[in-house]
Amino acid sequence: EVKLVESGGGLVQPGRSLKLSCAASGFNFNDYWMGWVRQAPGKGLEWIGEINKDSSTINYTPSLKDKFTISRDNAQNTLYLQMSKLGSEDTAIYYCAKGGTTIWGQGVMVTVSS
Amino acid sequence: DIQMTQSPSSLPASLGDRVTITCRASQDIGNYLRWFQQKPGKSPRLMIYGATNLAAGVPSRFSGSRSGSDYSLTISSLESEDMADYYCLQSKESPFTFGSGTKLEIK
Repeated sequence: EVKLVESGGGLVQPGRSLKLSCAASGFNFNDYWMGWVRQAPGKGLEWIGEINKDSSTINYTPSLKDKFTISRDNAQNTLYLQMSKLGSEDTAIYYCAKGGTTIWGQGVMVTVSS
Repeated sequence: DIQMTQSPSSLPASLGDRVTITCRASQDIGNYLRWFQQKPGKSPRLMIYGATNLAAGVPSRFSGSRSGSDYSLTISSLESEDMADYYCLQSKESPFTFGSGTKLEIK
């Protein structure tokens, strides 16, 4: 069974950084692009970005390119999202997804507040 | 960036109705269009990929179609379990972009 489990969320102060993880199982992680999507409370879905199999290509939505960094560790079957200079506008549920958007994790909540 | 204009934002409907949700792409995206269903408190679920292909496990009452730059998701006979939010996504080029969503609710 394909499983994606996000972790690392929580309450963070404005201006601080946070790193999310997504542990993958049930498929050959090395063979798939992976992505991140977020959803602010009561709002729609926002595509953050994606990373290819060997990390040689990483695409971001332009407004987040300078704040967020996507990476992966194929040996650990784990996807990461490093977030910096967080603001209240970054408060959201963050989802990782296999194949970019094919299968999603359960999501992890990030709240940016003082 | 490619803009996806989704309509309607809200769709009241009755059980058994045939309903259609539409997304219009601002540029050519070919068939790089996906539809997602999201129920309250749950993760999105892929319903349609490649504009017209049903994802695994999706009931056959769901279908996707394309007419030019307009993409549609149709439910042939609405069931109670279909009440959810629906989103389109273009995956033709980065950055991928979602439509603004449609809330399907019981009339």
